Amino acid sequence: AQKVTQAQTEISVVEKEDVTLDCVYETRDTTYYLFWYKQPPSGELVFLIRRNSFDEQNEISGRYSWNFQKSTSSFNFTITASQVVDSAVYFCALSEVGNDYKLSFGAGTTVTVRA
Amino acid sequence: NAGVTQTPKFQVLKTGQSMTLQCAQDMNHEYMSWYRQDPGMGLRLIHYSVGAGITDQGEVPNGYNVSRSTTEDFPLRLLSAAPSQTSVYFCASSYSTSGRGHEQYFGPGTRLTVT
Repeated sequence: AQKVTQAQTEISVVEKEDVTLDCVYETRDTTYYLFWYKQPPSGELVFLIRRNSFDEQNEISGRYSWNFQKSTSSFNFTITASQVVDSAVYFCALSEVGNDYKLSFGAGTTVTVRA
Repeated sequence: NAGVTQTPKFQVLKTGQSMTLQCAQDMNHEYMSWYRQDPGMGLRLIHYSVGAGITDQGEVPNGYNVSRSTTEDFPLRLLSAAPSQTSVYFCASSYSTSGRGHEQYFGPGTRLTVT
């Protein structure tokens, strides 16, 4: 069985602060995929990143960066210099290779960025 | 391409009523899924399909039926609605990318309230 834990329910920051969202996962498989999705107040789900368990390189995309550490089963997400538009619910998710059309989601972290 | 479309966007049902949530995709994706989103629980997989004529249960299938007669459509049926089915429902479709897992595309969601 697989499980994704996002221990932070809500985070509130002031604009331009950095914010890091934690994601810890459990899976019996040695190969899997990890994802982050953003859900803005409008409600749609926006894909942010997919990471293969083979690839432990950190990734940066603009103000977003991801830190994948297999040793601690974590896939943390950092928003640098946050902006009001970053206010959203962020979900971490996992799928197992071979069943990778099925996602297991964490409970989500609500990020509020105040001007 | 319209991507993944869902109808209706909003629906209010009385306990015991039945209804069908529609989902369609025009990307010729083999895989389609239904998730429900509840506060504090993230998204949970209800049913999924790996191709026309093939469906299977996800994590929370009770109270829901699905069928997949065409590649494009994957309706979700509530036979006798219950207040516990009040939720936001997301349909997703995906295809397999060689060595990179599934690219999931989510619909805009249907907000269902059962009174």
